[in-house]
Amino acid sequence: DAGVTQSPTHLIKTRGQQVTLRCSPKSGHDTVSWYQQALGQGPQFIFQYYEEEERQRGNFPDRFSGHQFPNYSSELNVNALLLGDSALYLCASSFTGDGYTFGSGTRLTVV
Amino acid sequence: EDQVTQSPEALRLQEGESSSLNCSYTVSGLRGLFWYRQDPGKGPEFLFTLYSAGEEKEKERLKATLTKKESFLHITAPKPEDSATYLCAVLLPFSGGYNKLIFGAGTRLAVHP
Repeated sequence: DAGVTQSPTHLIKTRGQQVTLRCSPKSGHDTVSWYQQALGQGPQFIFQYYEEEERQRGNFPDRFSGHQFPNYSSELNVNALLLGDSALYLCASSFTGDGYTFGSGTRLTVV
Repeated sequence: EDQVTQSPEALRLQEGESSSLNCSYTVSGLRGLFWYRQDPGKGPEFLFTLYSAGEEKEKERLKATLTKKESFLHITAPKPEDSATYLCAVLLPFSGGYNKLIFGAGTRLAVHP
């Protein structure tokens, strides 16, 4: 049974560029949440998608946007990258909002 | 504001030296409390879910307990392979009847032979 798959695993971008991260949820899961984890910190909630709509977002600027596709997979887009956006980006999938399963994350480095 | 605080930030143990990690929370409408283990550069790995005060869950050398204001993760006779960051997260309701998972900063555990 495939778990949550994220791609790419590592990414290096230049300040000001745009980036797209991808997530395929665990089979049977319909909800996708995105988290940002800075080094030495706990994951911070970015937003959650269900039925292709953003349900709620955390305290992140509009430079962070997302999308969910009919097959429940999801993308996280970040525009106008800042050095402070360097972090591990985690995708978690769930069904009815509990039992969150996390992917291995995408390590984004902004230089 | 909902808040999850974990202590200590870091813990160093000798192999076999039992200890406890703490997760205290100030939230509205707790729907569950989760413990995860995270290895460096990896995603969190699910350990336990607790739903009500007094509930306990065990898995190998780990035991999680929950009260109305905090949770403990007890580690009995730890081994070096238990070294990791342990994350506590609370499941909270938000508008529309949905849930979101909010994390503490974690406890970094190092177990030395």
